[in-house]
Amino acid sequence: GNSVTQMEGPVTLSEEAFLTINCTYTATGYPSLFWYVQYPGEGLQLLLKATKADDKGSNKGFEATYRKETTSFHLEKGSVQVSDSAVYFCALPNFGNEKLTFGTGTRLTIIP
Amino acid sequence: DGGITQSPKYLFRKEGQNVTLSCEQNLNHDAMYWYRQDPGQGLRLIYYSQIVNDFQKGDIAEGYSVSREKKESFPLTVTSAQKNPTAFYLCASSARIGTVGDEQYFGPGTRLTVT
Repeated sequence: GNSVTQMEGPVTLSEEAFLTINCTYTATGYPSLFWYVQYPGEGLQLLLKATKADDKGSNKGFEATYRKETTSFHLEKGSVQVSDSAVYFCALPNFGNEKLTFGTGTRLTIIP
Repeated sequence: DGGITQSPKYLFRKEGQNVTLSCEQNLNHDAMYWYRQDPGQGLRLIYYSQIVNDFQKGDIAEGYSVSREKKESFPLTVTSAQKNPTAFYLCASSARIGTVGDEQYFGPGTRLTVT
């Protein structure tokens, strides 16, 4: 079945640093790809998504490009802020789009 | 405001007791899901439901039960058969299963502690 491998954390960066969190996938066909974010003590929120190859999802300064050649969907941000501290999850649906499979999550901490 | 509510936020139970976690949505979504989250791990799917009066087992259904008697409600019961019930439980919904690009919306979660 479809699966996702996510960069392990934790990741600690200084404010205004460049962020990359790696995500690669194995899938039948070309499923939609998602990044979710979880702030401390809360549920998950959709951060961005891409529904087909070469699409770029973006939100709140974060970007990720759906690259079928490398089966990747890496999350990037040019200048992180303290408020970006959270856990980030890469996810993709199974073949029938019935459910999502999540990566193990990457904990990001931004220090002032 | 539309969204998903889960109650309570924190729940404490003694070992051997069944406990039911509430999940309600007013988004008019067809599909609902229950996940379990353990420290340092991703989310694991317990059960999901596509329509009222129908549900399917996820990856870790043993020791759990659900019902879907109303479109807006999907309660999860953690039974005494669940060997490690202490975890953070998340409920989610989506407009319709099978739709490409359809995102899931999550509730705030219930942290269950069993001693």
